[in-house]
Amino acid sequence: KAGVTQTPRYLIKTRGQQVTLSCSPISGHRSVSWYQQTPGQGLQFLFEYFSETQRNKGNFPGRFSGRQFSNSRSEMNVSTLELGDSALYLCASSLAMATGNTIYFGEGSWLTVV
Amino acid sequence: AQKITQTQPGMFVQEKEAVTLDCTYDTSDQSYGLFWYKQPSSGEMIFLIYQGSYDEQNATEGRYSLNFQKARKSANLVISASQLGDSAMYFCAMREMSGGANSKLTFGKGITLSVRP
Repeated sequence: KAGVTQTPRYLIKTRGQQVTLSCSPISGHRSVSWYQQTPGQGLQFLFEYFSETQRNKGNFPGRFSGRQFSNSRSEMNVSTLELGDSALYLCASSLAMATGNTIYFGEGSWLTVV
Repeated sequence: AQKITQTQPGMFVQEKEAVTLDCTYDTSDQSYGLFWYKQPSSGEMIFLIYQGSYDEQNATEGRYSLNFQKARKSANLVISASQLGDSAMYFCAMREMSGGANSKLTFGKGITLSVRP
């Protein structure tokens, strides 16, 4: 079955612009979470959604937002881009938010802010 | 204190040999899960193996096994019969359940593994 799909894979934006990244979870998975990966900070949790509701949020400014649709697909948005937002953004999906559920990741979206 | 500690900055292993990647964790939760992921240069995070805190046996998945020592709070990944394609970054991660159901992972800084022919 298809894995976690993220689009776009690569994008370049200008400082001050906004960007929307999309994530389609594995079929049947209802939990979607987002991570930012940078060389300096490593992998940091952004937020997670389950049944269209944000369940947890990491320590990021309000410029970072997300949402989940009824088909479990999720989008994250970053407004007023800064150079420091350049990163690999990874989406992960899980069947549910339970201990034994494996968490699978997509290929990521590489964002460069210039 | 760091929740996930991976202190080996880079590891080298000869093809067909076994290698152990270290991971120690810190949590006061009774219920938690430990994951290992492989990340090649393409960026994709590939799931390798999972160990639940209540699992009595060490997890195994093909050439991957997890040496889980709960009292020492360590969850080392063992890769047997290394292949050239195993060259990648490896991350240990933990999900804690004390705050309720969630899918939030805390990651270590990762270990670079290079397999020599």
